[in-house]
Formats: sequence, structure tokens, C-alpha cells
Amino acid sequence: GNSVTQMEGPVTLSEEAFLTINCTYTATGYPSLFWYVQYPGEGLQLLLKATKADDKGSNKGFEATYRKETTSFHLEKGSVQVSDSAVYFCALRASGAQKLVFGQGTRLTINP
Amino acid sequence: GAGVSQSPSNKVTEKGKDVELRCDPISGHTALYWYRQSLGQGLEFLIYFQGNSAPDKSGLPSDRFSAERTGGSVSTLTIQRTQQEDSAVYLCASSLGPPGRGDEQYFGPGTRLTVT
Repeated sequence: GNSVTQMEGPVTLSEEAFLTINCTYTATGYPSLFWYVQYPGEGLQLLLKATKADDKGSNKGFEATYRKETTSFHLEKGSVQVSDSAVYFCALRASGAQKLVFGQGTRLTINP
Repeated sequence: GAGVSQSPSNKVTEKGKDVELRCDPISGHTALYWYRQSLGQGLEFLIYFQGNSAPDKSGLPSDRFSAERTGGSVSTLTIQRTQQEDSAVYLCASSLGPPGRGDEQYFGPGTRLTVT
């Protein structure tokens, strides 16, 4: 079946550090890939997405590239801020399907 | 405009009681989804509606769970004879149309259900 595996947390970094949160997936065909973010006390928000191989999604300084050859969609940011502290979820939607399949989430804490 | 709203925001119930959770999707969104977020299971899909029909109910964990949608808008998730393992945050999401590549699902704030 379809599944998403993401880097276990929690992850703690200092402000301005480089961030990578790893995400790999298992799916047949060509799924769409997403990163969602859940800030403290708020609902899930779409951070970025990519719908085909080699696409790069980007938003708020975050980037992720859809790598078909390695079945990966790693999230990166060059310089994190305290306000980036949140839980990050990698997700896929299989081709022709409706539901999102989520990874287990990675809690990120940025210290000043 | 208004986002997805859910009510109640918190619900505490006794084991064995029935509960109803409500979701108001974004106006004009024809697709509606229910997910559950729990410590042990992470974020898992429950059911998908397109209009008032539910073509995918594959995530409902047992026959104690049911959902309906009326008027192509409001949806209610009902859990009968609640058990402690039903304790979770129940999330509703909506999207503009039938899922195509890249259609965004907008999530509500969730209902935190605690079964004592």
C-alpha cells in the first residue's frame, strides 16, 4: 500500500541554522506530494506541494523537490526562524485517489 | 472568506455514549474529508464525500463510525458507543472539486474528543 516515512523528531535547532526534514514514500504510479505544517494551537496548513517528478515546491523560504528516482521529498530551509517552530507532515495523494496519506510528523523547535 | 469550521472544539464524553461532530466546509467546496489525529496512529483518513455521496469510506475503523453530508455542505461524523481508543482530534477538510492533481485540502481546527 501507499505510505510515507519521515524523519523522526523532535528536531531542535538554533535560529539561522539549515534545516532538512527527510521524507520518503512508497506508492505506485505518480503521486502528488505535499508538506503540511501545524503551528502551535492552529490547524493544518499546506506549506508546499509538487505534482510531478523533478518539480520543486517552495513557500516561506522552504523548498522540497520531488525525486522519483529516490522516492523522496525532503523539506529544506536555509535559515530557520523561531517562528518556524511547528509540527511538519509529509503527505502523498496517490494518482487517481482522494485521500491524503500522511507521515508521522516531525516536531521542530527553533531556539533563539 | 470563512475557512472550514468544526464544532464542538472540545468534547468530553463517557465511554458508551454516542457523539456527533460537525463540519462546515468552505462555501462552494464540493469535496469533504474526515481525518483522525491520534498519538498512536498519527494522521489517518476516515471518509471522503463528493457532494452528498461517500465514494470512499475505507478509513472508518468500525461500524460504530458513520458520517453523512447534507445539501452538499455540512457533514456530521457520528461515533456510537464510544470507546477510550476513540479519543483523538477529528479533523475535517474540504477542497474545491473532485481531487485532481494538486488540489489543496483546507483543514479545519479540529474537534478534540476525550472518552473517559
